[in-house]
Amino acid sequence: DTGVSQDPRHKITKRGQNVTFRCDPISEHNRLYWYRQTLGQGPEFLTYFQNEAQLEKSRLLSDRFSAERPKGSFSTLEIQRTEQGDSAMYLCASSDRGEKLFFGSGTQLSVL
Amino acid sequence: AQTVTQSQPEMSVQEAETVTLSCTYDTSESDYYLFWYKQPPSRQMILVIRQEAYKQQNATENRFSVNFQKAAKSFSLKISDSQLGDAAMYFCASQGGSEKLVFGKGTKLTVNP
Repeated sequence: DTGVSQDPRHKITKRGQNVTFRCDPISEHNRLYWYRQTLGQGPEFLTYFQNEAQLEKSRLLSDRFSAERPKGSFSTLEIQRTEQGDSAMYLCASSDRGEKLFFGSGTQLSVL
Repeated sequence: AQTVTQSQPEMSVQEAETVTLSCTYDTSESDYYLFWYKQPPSRQMILVIRQEAYKQQNATENRFSVNFQKAAKSFSLKISDSQLGDAAMYFCASQGGSEKLVFGKGTKLTVNP
C-alpha cells in the first residue's frame, strides 16, 4: 500500500493554457474524490467516482473542468483555459467504503 | 445545505497540556457523520477521528477525543498530552446525504515546547 499518489506536485502555467493532473488511488479502493483547497480555506468538494462512474459533481466544477476515471483505477482532472482564480491545491482522495478517506499530497496549481 | 464553522483561526498549547478545538455545524440530514482531519505542512489530510451522529457515545482515538453535543450541533476535539507533532491545521468536516465532505476553514494549532 503506497497511498494515494498525485502528479505533478506543482504546476505553474500561464492563463489560458490547459492543464491535466493525475491521481492514482490506493489499489483496492473503488471510490475516488477530487477536492480543491485555496489558501486559508478548507477543501471544497469537486467530484466523486465509484469505479469508472462519475456519480456526483459540484457546481464548482464549471464547463472548463472535466474529470475522468476510464478504467476505474487512476483519474485525471483537466482544466481548460485556466484562469487566475483556478490557482489552488487540488487534492485527490480514495476510499473503499466511504467511511475513511485517504488523501494524497495534492497538486499545487499556480496560474500566472 | 450543510455548513461547518470553526471559530478559532489559531490556538496554541504547551507540550503535554490539553487543548480543545471548537466546531459547530448545521445540517438538515438525520443521518450524518462528523470528522476531524489534520493537515500538517506536508499538506496531506489525515483523518484524526470520526463520529457517527446516531451514536451517543463520544468517539476516542488514543489522545484524541470528541465532545459531540447533537442538540447544540457542536463537535469539539480534545487533544490530551499535546506533542510537538500535533502542530498542524485541524479541519472539522461533516458528511450527510451524499459522499461530499463539507469542511470548515480550519484551526491552526501551535504546540510550544
